[in-house]
Amino acid sequence: DAGVTQSPTHLIKTRGQQVTLRCSPKSGHDTVSWYQQALGQGPQFIFQYYEEEERQRGNFPDRFSGHQFPNYSSELNVNALLLGDSALYLCASSFGTDYGYTFGSGTRLTVV
Amino acid sequence: AQTVTQSQPEMSVQEAETVTLSCTYDTSESDYYLFWYKQPPSRQMILVIRQEAYKQQNATENRFSVNFQKAAKSFSLKISDSQLGDAAMYFCAYRSAGGSQGNLIFGKGTKLSVKP
Repeated sequence: DAGVTQSPTHLIKTRGQQVTLRCSPKSGHDTVSWYQQALGQGPQFIFQYYEEEERQRGNFPDRFSGHQFPNYSSELNVNALLLGDSALYLCASSFGTDYGYTFGSGTRLTVV
Repeated sequence: AQTVTQSQPEMSVQEAETVTLSCTYDTSESDYYLFWYKQPPSRQMILVIRQEAYKQQNATENRFSVNFQKAAKSFSLKISDSQLGDAAMYFCAYRSAGGSQGNLIFGKGTKLSVKP
């Protein structure tokens, strides 16, 4: 039973560029949440997708957008990258409103 | 807004000994969930233990147990018989139980070192 898969594992981008991160949820899960974890900090909630719609959003600017596909996989897009966007981006999946989240190993994004 | 505070940036324990990690939270809600997650160098968040606020009994998972004090808004994690593999970052997290409030609110974490 596959867990949560995120790609790529590492990424280096230049300030001002755009980036897309991908997440495949655990088998049987239909809800995907994205978190940003800055160095030395706890993860911060970006947004959650369910039934291909953004259900809830944290305090992040519109440069952060996402998408969920019919197979429940999800993408996180960040436009106009800033140095401060450098972080570990974690994807978590769950089934509906069940509180049993499964996390992936994250994508380490470095903006230079 | 809910907040989670972990006041111990780093903790150290001798192998086979017991260690307690502290967590306090602030909320006006009466129904919620609390979690402890472990994050090893592999970066994946691993659920250690969870507690439903409506349950008075403290949750236990093998060597891991919590001391949940709802009135004091305290949720500490006790690790018994510490093992080298317990070394990691530990995060306390809160989640509302109502509606679609599915996001987790994390503390800043405690780095646990285990000495052989």
